Amino acid sequence: EILLTQSPGTLSLSPGDRATLSCRASQSVSSSFLAWYQQKPGQAPRLLFYVASTRATGIPDRFSGSGSGTDFTLTISRLEPEDFAVYYCQQYGSSPYTFGQGTKLEIK
Amino acid sequence: QVQLQESGPGLVKPSETLSLTCAVSGYSISSGFYWGWVRQPPGKGLEWIGNIYHNGSTCYNPSLESRVTISIDSSKNQFSLRLTSVTAADTAVYYCARARAADFWGPGTLVTVSS
Repeated sequence: EILLTQSPGTLSLSPGDRATLSCRASQSVSSSFLAWYQQKPGQAPRLLFYVASTRATGIPDRFSGSGSGTDFTLTISRLEPEDFAVYYCQQYGSSPYTFGQGTKLEIK
Repeated sequence: QVQLQESGPGLVKPSETLSLTCAVSGYSISSGFYWGWVRQPPGKGLEWIGNIYHNGSTCYNPSLESRVTISIDSSKNQFSLRLTSVTAADTAVYYCARARAADFWGPGTLVTVSS
């Protein structure tokens, strides 16, 4: 089973700041099958990226995904108020398709 | 627009079977994609339960595999989850979703395991 570790656990920033979220895998993620999701309270997760860096439909270009192998990054270039949420990474290259524990992005 | 909607009992007794259905609209599930279930205990993170391919092949989380069955009913354009011998640890919001990198999700349904 591939363990995904997200850091930091909580990130306190202000609107307009740049956010960098990390997802590290315990072993290489096959074919970079790594997805990022955003989840707001009381809502289902929303797909942001798949195959590490392919932006999902409707995702603003201030969001970017990068990485390969065991190290992946989600970057938000300039935070908007609606970006404050919990972010999860998920690998779907090998079963079980594990999730990271999440990074909470909160307003400073 | 693809839409998914979970349905099923919100309360299940310990040792009984949890059964949920996910109705899909806006896309024929027999046309392709994986379809699956993810759960989230209150205040906690996401856990992948399993997927079913449109041809009926399945893949389950080993931690749940002995208790889980996911099936597909193409005639009704829906797929289902059965989880047997539930305990309080199975209390969670259960989501159905399309694809392994899930691009469409249902709104989720809270299932509480309690006597």
